[in-house]
Amino acid sequence: DTGVSQDPRHKITKRGQNVTFRCDPISEHNRLYWYRQTLGQGPEFLTYFQNEAQLEKSRLLSDRFSAERPKGSFSTLEIQRTEQGDSAMYLCASSLATGGTDTQYFGPGTRLTVL
Amino acid sequence: AQSVTQLDSHVSVSEGTPVLLRCNYSSSYSPSLFWYVQHPNKGLQLLLKYTSAATLVKGINGFEAEFKKSETSFHLTKPSAHMSDAAEYFCVVSEMEGSARQLTFGSGTQLTVLP
Repeated sequence: DTGVSQDPRHKITKRGQNVTFRCDPISEHNRLYWYRQTLGQGPEFLTYFQNEAQLEKSRLLSDRFSAERPKGSFSTLEIQRTEQGDSAMYLCASSLATGGTDTQYFGPGTRLTVL
Repeated sequence: AQSVTQLDSHVSVSEGTPVLLRCNYSSSYSPSLFWYVQHPNKGLQLLLKYTSAATLVKGINGFEAEFKKSETSFHLTKPSAHMSDAAEYFCVVSEMEGSARQLTFGSGTQLTVLP
């Protein structure tokens, strides 16, 4: 399978714990995006990388959230001191910048439940 | 700023009848527009995209959408619904915001196909 993969697919944690999610993009893609989707809503943009550089962060990304893409390949999203409001599906997407409108391809998501 | 309004949260059709999912957008620039589909426990899949070429866009699985600038609409249609079309559909707008090409999703339309 050469699509976007995410790990884990499901994570249950207790409030106050830290969690880390991983995203592996399509191999030749240089852009990587993180989105959050809550029940009954469309995904909302969190942050974006071009290669290893984090170029944009949404106001939704509080100080407890940090994302990295150290070698311009896979990315991690860490949430510190989780809160019940962090419960959501976290989606990763990747694209290849071509100078026009690149198409984002999505992974299956990581569903986080904070108890 | 960009935004998307999906006019129906739920649409129900009988198998073999036409599908119409309505979407209106707001954008400060010439937008790119997409429709994505999300099946339960699966990732978002691109159905089709509009990028200022032909206003009638054909996508996968018999879906198509027409960009109407005067109406700021991008409705999704299919002549004949199939049971496998039952899923959640998202209308998405993209314009350059700073250095990122963020996607802004609508809140989704749940399509039910009745036998």
